[in-house]
Amino acid sequence: QSALTQPASVSGSPGQSITISCTGTSSDGYFKFVSWYQQHPGKAPKLLIYDVTKRPSGVPDRFSVSKSGNTASLTISGLQAEDEADYYCSSYTSSSTWVFGGGTRLTVL
Amino acid sequence: QVTLRESGPALVKPTQTLTLTCTFSGFSLTTSGMCVSWIRQPPGKALEWLARVDWDDDKYYSTSLRTRLTISKDTSKNQVVLTMTDMDPVDTATYYCARCSYGFDSWGQGTLVTVSS
Repeated sequence: QSALTQPASVSGSPGQSITISCTGTSSDGYFKFVSWYQQHPGKAPKLLIYDVTKRPSGVPDRFSVSKSGNTASLTISGLQAEDEADYYCSSYTSSSTWVFGGGTRLTVL
Repeated sequence: QVTLRESGPALVKPTQTLTLTCTFSGFSLTTSGMCVSWIRQPPGKALEWLARVDWDDDKYYSTSLRTRLTISKDTSKNQVVLTMTDMDPVDTATYYCARCSYGFDSWGQGTLVTVSS
């Protein structure tokens, strides 16, 4: 089964930009329909980005994603205190299942 | 408005079978392309996808847990049920159900299941 690799933690100051990477490691190279989630402590995850680069309504355009090969990167610009949370990427697999990354803790300094 | 709510026991004993119910509203699992997944999160750890049932009753399971999981749907009740056999303390986690399409766009609040004797 494939796995997704994320950095354990990133940090940034208010107003800055940060990037969280998500690298697919499946042997078949399948890395599609990547989505990103934000999770505040004690809360359910919230969908931020789907189908690689699309944002649901209500998600600010400070959140953007780029993808190159088997790596997708979430960029948060104009960092705000409320962005402090855990972030997870997810990918659909060639087996019609889903896989999550290990999560990244974002600290706003 | 799409809502999902998980229900089930908060405590199960090792070797027992866990049954969780996801009751949803605001969408129909008979709509083409729709699906509902179960996802869990051990305390302080990452999300783990478990299983999914599609609008056409296709079912998919985590490779590592497929022998222990069964997912089913009852479209008349707008419910999806997950059973997990042979529970172990390492299965202690918050279990979420979520509507899925290109991603998981709506989530329940989660239910914490503790496995302990």
